[in-house]
Amino acid sequence: QKEVEQDPGPLSVPEGAIVSLNCTYSNSAFQYFMWYRQYSRKGPELLMYTYSSGNKEDGRFTAQVDKSSKYISLFIRDSQPSDSATYLCAMKKSSGDKLTFGTGTRLAVRP
Amino acid sequence: DAGITQSPRHKVTETGTPVTLRCHQTENHRYMYWYRQDPGHGLRLIHYSYGVKDTDKGEVSDGYSVSRSKTEDFLLTLESATSSQTSVYFCAISESNSGPYGYTFGSGTRLTVV
Repeated sequence: QKEVEQDPGPLSVPEGAIVSLNCTYSNSAFQYFMWYRQYSRKGPELLMYTYSSGNKEDGRFTAQVDKSSKYISLFIRDSQPSDSATYLCAMKKSSGDKLTFGTGTRLAVRP
Repeated sequence: DAGITQSPRHKVTETGTPVTLRCHQTENHRYMYWYRQDPGHGLRLIHYSYGVKDTDKGEVSDGYSVSRSKTEDFLLTLESATSSQTSVYFCAISESNSGPYGYTFGSGTRLTVV
């Protein structure tokens, strides 16, 4: 079993929809949680990060961490065609640890 | 991808030949990483470096070696390329491995071994 599980999709939604992207993990030692966005034929870029449990909002994006359920989410409000990309979750246990990535969810937002 | 450059962007090579991929950064970051990305597997760490001449293995290091003689350059060598090493290779850099520091990725090298 992988430490981090992510539904590969693809997920197709109409423009303006609310999108929910999720990851589950098995190791309760993970403390730092990140979301990366990767456009086709580009490298991943850091979108958001959170520490421990709770929510963090940045414009149309909200990252949510539920450590008790070992579950993290990224919500995109008012989705746009420019949000079409692969979204990867990533997490690490503590200082000195390396990031562990999910396999990514491919999102398509239809105009 | 300002501050991090990978070369070449694309390469086709024959089975059994050695191949070297280069990652160059202008951010003076201490930590550098090489990943490969494959469908169904996501990003897998090959090797990483925590300083000049300081490197260590990741989860899929067999058949790969690395070198870092300068802060700005991290080289990945496929000693004898095989078809299973056909992949997209990403270099990443990080200012610190403490706290919530993420990685900055390069644009990738698409390698095909025929």
